[in-house]
Formats: sequence, C-alpha cells, structure tokens
Amino acid sequence: AQTVTQSQPEMSVQEAETVTLSCTYDTSESDYYLFWYKQPPSRQMILVIRQEAYKQQNATENRFSVNFQKAAKSFSLKISDSQLGDAAMYFCAYRRLWGAQKLVFGQGTRLTINP
Amino acid sequence: DTGVSQDPRHKITKRGQNVTFRCDPISEHNRLYWYRQTLGQGPEFLTYFQNEAQLEKSRLLSDRFSAERPKGSFSTLEIQRTEQGDSAMYLCASSLERVTEAFFGQGTRLTVV
Repeated sequence: AQTVTQSQPEMSVQEAETVTLSCTYDTSESDYYLFWYKQPPSRQMILVIRQEAYKQQNATENRFSVNFQKAAKSFSLKISDSQLGDAAMYFCAYRRLWGAQKLVFGQGTRLTINP
Repeated sequence: DTGVSQDPRHKITKRGQNVTFRCDPISEHNRLYWYRQTLGQGPEFLTYFQNEAQLEKSRLLSDRFSAERPKGSFSTLEIQRTEQGDSAMYLCASSLERVTEAFFGQGTRLTVV
C-alpha cells in the first residue's frame, strides 16, 4: 500500500519570505501523480500544484513550485514571496495513474504566515 | 455555484442515532469520492463511485456505513447507530474520468455526543 509522510506538523514564515514544506512517500509503482492541496480554515480543499511522476521537470504554478526527487521518493513544496492568504493546512497526496484514482494523503503541515 | 456541494455543513447527533449526508458533485463529473478527516489528520479514503456503481470501499467503512449514488448524480452517506468515534469531517470530491484533478466540497462536520 502507498503511504505519504509529512514530518513537519507546523511551519511558520515571515510574510514575503520563502518556505519549503517536506513530503516523502512510498510506492512500488513507477507511474503516479503527486499533489499538494491547501485547506484554509473554511475547510474546502484546493489543489495547489500537481506533478506527474513520468515528467522529470518540476512543476511550477506562479509562486508555488515543487522539488520532485523520484529516486528518493521526495516531493517538497516551495512557496515564494509568502502572503497572508497562504496560511492554511497543506496536504501532500499520492494517486495511482490507473484504477480508482483515490488520493492517499499525508498528515498535513499547518503553515502560519507572520506579518 | 457549480462546485461540489455538501449538506448539511454541520450535524450534531446523539450516540446511537442514524445520520445521512448528501453530496452533489459538479454536474458532468462521473467519479465521486467520500473521505473522512479527523482533527489534525489528513483525509482518509472511504469509498468511490463511477457513475452509479460503487467500485471500491475502504476497510474503514464498517457495516454501519452505507453509501449510494442512485442515478449517478448526487450521493448519500449514511451512518447507522453512530458512535463517538464517528465524529469527524466527511468530505466529498468529484472528478471526470481521465482528468487528474479532484474537486472537494466544504465537508460535513459530524459531532456525536
């Protein structure tokens, strides 16, 4: 079974600074998807960024980028120029390429932005 | 609003009572998922529908839990004889086949007293 581990329960960063959230995962499959989801206090989960395992290039979405290390099974999220609106729980998630496509989530990292 | 809608948003029930939650997915989405999220944890998969067929159920889904998607549109999740351990946020998500992104609803928070 696939597992996802986020070893940082909480992180904080000064507004406008850069922060990196860590995620490791375990799978025996070679093709899969990895995601970072954001869950603000209103509780609706929002997709931040997606990475296809068969792509070597790291995904980037505006201020959000990932460092995908397939051999190390590591998938970190970098948030540049942090904004107050970035404060939320962040979840790393894994999904198989085929089949049910259910998401396997990590435990989450609570990100606080200090003004 | 064309997003995933869940009803009710909050439910408080006494132990032993039955509760039912509803999820309305995005209209053209044929895949629907239920997850459970306890405080401070990531969501855990409960069950998955493709159209009206329930294709996968987690071992977390005990025989007190049942889910339906009768016409391949909205879905209901029923919990019978609720226990305090059932207290959690129940999240619904939907997606299109062959599309990677799943869209989540705001969830139903269940408190069993």
